[in-house]
Amino acid sequence: GAGVSQSPRYKVTKRGQDVALRCDPISGHVSLYWYRQALGQGPEFLTYFNYEAQQDKSGLPNDRFSAERPEGSISTLTIQRTEQRDSAMYRCASSLQGGLATDTQYFGPGTRLTVL
Amino acid sequence: ELKVEQNPLFLSMQEGKNYTIYCNYSTTSDRLYWYRQDPGKSLESLFVLLSNGAVKQEGRLMASLDTKARLSTLHITAAVHDLSATYFCAVEHGSGNTGKLIFGQGTTLQVKP
Repeated sequence: GAGVSQSPRYKVTKRGQDVALRCDPISGHVSLYWYRQALGQGPEFLTYFNYEAQQDKSGLPNDRFSAERPEGSISTLTIQRTEQRDSAMYRCASSLQGGLATDTQYFGPGTRLTVL
Repeated sequence: ELKVEQNPLFLSMQEGKNYTIYCNYSTTSDRLYWYRQDPGKSLESLFVLLSNGAVKQEGRLMASLDTKARLSTLHITAAVHDLSATYFCAVEHGSGNTGKLIFGQGTTLQVKP
């Protein structure tokens, strides 16, 4: 079946511009997660949703970063006034339901963001 | 603050050999995961370990969990070139299914013919 999809796959923007990254989770998955992965590192947690409710946003670096999932399916991660240090791979993951003991997060292909 | 450390960070081995990757974490957690990542690709789930003494095996890979020692191991048996990839362990932060995974730095495995 279809996995997690993300768009765009690559985004190049100039410093100071806003960007919106989209995530389409696996159909029927309740939980959705955003991570950021620097080259040569493991993913770093940003935020997490159950349905449309944002459960944890403790990993968002600052108030330029926000995320929403208004209808409990597709999610958008928005970065305002981008800076060069925001350049990274942004990965989305989804899981059937975060409360299940054996719940597994399935990762999407990522969006490679480059801020010039 | 939960910290997850893997070692080694890089491992070069011959086909047919056995080796173990270690994952230590600093605070109690309910779940531990192992993922595989091929160059330029996304992360693929390998194992979920829930309880002390849990052992799971898939092909040439076997993962185990010792919650008292806060240690998980990923053992590779008779390595083959196809196993070349980066392996991450990830530990769930807090208790009660928080959804927040803390990843280790990754171990890059290179299997030489």
